[in-house]
Amino acid sequence: GENVEQHPSTLSVQEGDSAVIKCTYSDSASNYFPWYKQELGKRPQLIIDIRSNVGEKKDQRIAVTLNKTAKHFSLHITETQPEDSAVYFCAAPWVFGAGTILRVKS
Amino acid sequence: KAGVTQTPRYLIKTRGQQVTLSCSPISGHRSVSWYQQTPGQGLQFLFEYFSETQRNKGNFPGRFSGRQFSNSRSEMNVSTLELGDSALYLCASSHQGVEQYFGPGTRLTVL
Repeated sequence: GENVEQHPSTLSVQEGDSAVIKCTYSDSASNYFPWYKQELGKRPQLIIDIRSNVGEKKDQRIAVTLNKTAKHFSLHITETQPEDSAVYFCAAPWVFGAGTILRVKS
Repeated sequence: KAGVTQTPRYLIKTRGQQVTLSCSPISGHRSVSWYQQTPGQGLQFLFEYFSETQRNKGNFPGRFSGRQFSNSRSEMNVSTLELGDSALYLCASSHQGVEQYFGPGTRLTVL
């Protein structure tokens, strides 16, 4: 079955810096890769997703890149803000990574 | 549109009992997926229902089962509860199985 590995498990950045979270997957048949943000005590929220026929997708300060050959995809957050602090999960598409705790220090 | 709703929000049961959780998807969504979230295991996929049929299944024992009704509402049942079943159970709805929107979850505590 599918296996998703996510790194790093925690990430601390200064406000205004960029943050990058990486995931690798094992099933080459996977073709949809979402990212979710979960704030403390709240439900996961879909923040961006990418399909296998696209290499990159952007939405304001958030972007996702996909390398199908290497079977990895990454979340990029630019100009980080304190409200970006949360746990971020990648998925492919029902198997989730272990999550990354992002802390943005002001 | 109203979001995904789950009932009950909190539940306390004892070992050996069974429990049924309910999920009402966003209007028009035909896919409902269920997940178990625990601090140690993260988010784990239980199963997905689409148009009343189980379409995908995770790696959970047969004590975990589900069903979906003609109005797309879904229920999840756990029989013979174990202490390790204590978790937040999340359902997510989507139109075709992608772009999932999560409900608030049901916090199950097994004593």
